[in-house]
Amino acid sequence: DGGITQSPKYLFRKEGQNVTLSCEQNLNHDAMYWYRQDPGQGLRLIYYSQIVNDFQKGDIAEGYSVSREKKESFPLTVTSAQKNPTAFYLCASTSDRGGEQYFGPGTRLTVT
Amino acid sequence: AQSVSQHNHHVILSEAASLELGCNYSYGGTVNLFWYVQYPGQHLQLLLKYFSGDPLVKGIKGFEAEFIKSKFSFNLRKPSVQWSDTAEYFCAVNARGSQGNLIFGKGTKLSVKP
Repeated sequence: DGGITQSPKYLFRKEGQNVTLSCEQNLNHDAMYWYRQDPGQGLRLIYYSQIVNDFQKGDIAEGYSVSREKKESFPLTVTSAQKNPTAFYLCASTSDRGGEQYFGPGTRLTVT
Repeated sequence: AQSVSQHNHHVILSEAASLELGCNYSYGGTVNLFWYVQYPGQHLQLLLKYFSGDPLVKGIKGFEAEFIKSKFSFNLRKPSVQWSDTAEYFCAVNARGSQGNLIFGKGTKLSVKP
């Protein structure tokens, strides 16, 4: 089954802790993306990577970090510097920049 | 900077009613346009897309959208909604020749009453 997997589905953390969200795809896509979804805000781009070992900041990168060591994997770390980390995080990938993006099921992060 | 506006935050319809969700974008160049849908508890998935050609595009589940270049609009329509269309709908735009990043609207929540 081809697709994007994100784990875990729900994640709970205490304030001040870093947390890493997993995103894996077996679609052989070059480009991968991380979005944050908040109620009434749509999807906002955090980071994206168009090729292995390279990534760029999106619109709301502050307090987040990523790595892209393998084509299939694009983990997102939510650091303690992120002021409002509680949100729904979506990972996506595409083989065609500017074309359709395929989305994972998302991880709902709650920080208390 | 590019932006996408979706006019309605929450739309409530009865089954069999017609649907039109508005989407306007701000970008003067050539664009690719998308509508995505997020059913409760499910992945965000593509409803339809427009790259070029016939400005009236048909998608899955009886949805269609019309690209009107002069109005910078890409409104989503369905002649007769069903309870199963209850979901959140997102319009997205990509400026051709850019990094390929999608700009999403804030979404419209559709509730269909049985």
